Amino acid sequence: QVQLVESGGGVVQPGRSLRLSCAASGFTFSSYAMHWVRQAPGKGLEWVAVISYDGNKKYYADSMKGRFTISRDKSKNTLYLQMNSLRAEDTAVYYCAKEGYNYDIDYWGQGTLVTVSS
Amino acid sequence: QTVVTQEPSFSVSPGGTVTLTCGLTSGSISTGYYPSWYQQTPGQAPRTLIYNTNTRSSGVPDRFSGSILGNKAALTITGAQADDESDYYCVLYMGSGIWVFGGGTKLTVL
Repeated sequence: QVQLVESGGGVVQPGRSLRLSCAASGFTFSSYAMHWVRQAPGKGLEWVAVISYDGNKKYYADSMKGRFTISRDKSKNTLYLQMNSLRAEDTAVYYCAKEGYNYDIDYWGQGTLVTVSS
Repeated sequence: QTVVTQEPSFSVSPGGTVTLTCGLTSGSISTGYYPSWYQQTPGQAPRTLIYNTNTRSSGVPDRFSGSILGNKAALTITGAQADDESDYYCVLYMGSGIWVFGGGTKLTVL
């Protein structure tokens, strides 16, 4: 079955960087686009970024553009999110998600919490 | 900037029917936005309910259905049950690689 396991979250100071990882299994990782979605404490879901199945196309929400970088390693079946210049408002649970066939998300990880605080 | 709108909260009686909507601050939603719907309970990851406007995800009961109603996407729950009490989110594909979530609807069953 499809499994998405995020890691790399934690407490980080404002202005610092953090890299999240998402280990994928149970499907052909190199055939599907992958997303990051975040959720600030007590708030709704916010789409962060998507990367195409082959890694050639990457798109970002405006508020993350220029600070966050999505990438993937097909040899490791792993998705990444490099987050730079972190701000307090980036504090959230970050979910890794697999795209389906119809511009939808069909599977979600359990999330990893990032806390930006001094 | 176009915002995706959802009712902040809704209430339904057990066994009742409720329709949650997903709209745009500017313009109408069509199937070309590929609306999808997700259910989330506190502390849990979201669960996919509906994709491509009206296709139920695997294992989702048929009392959940999706549609376009007027200029909005809609999620209808028929015969609401206590464990349907959750937050519900829609997401739209805006084109050019961009997705946008609605603010979510908190559904109470009482």
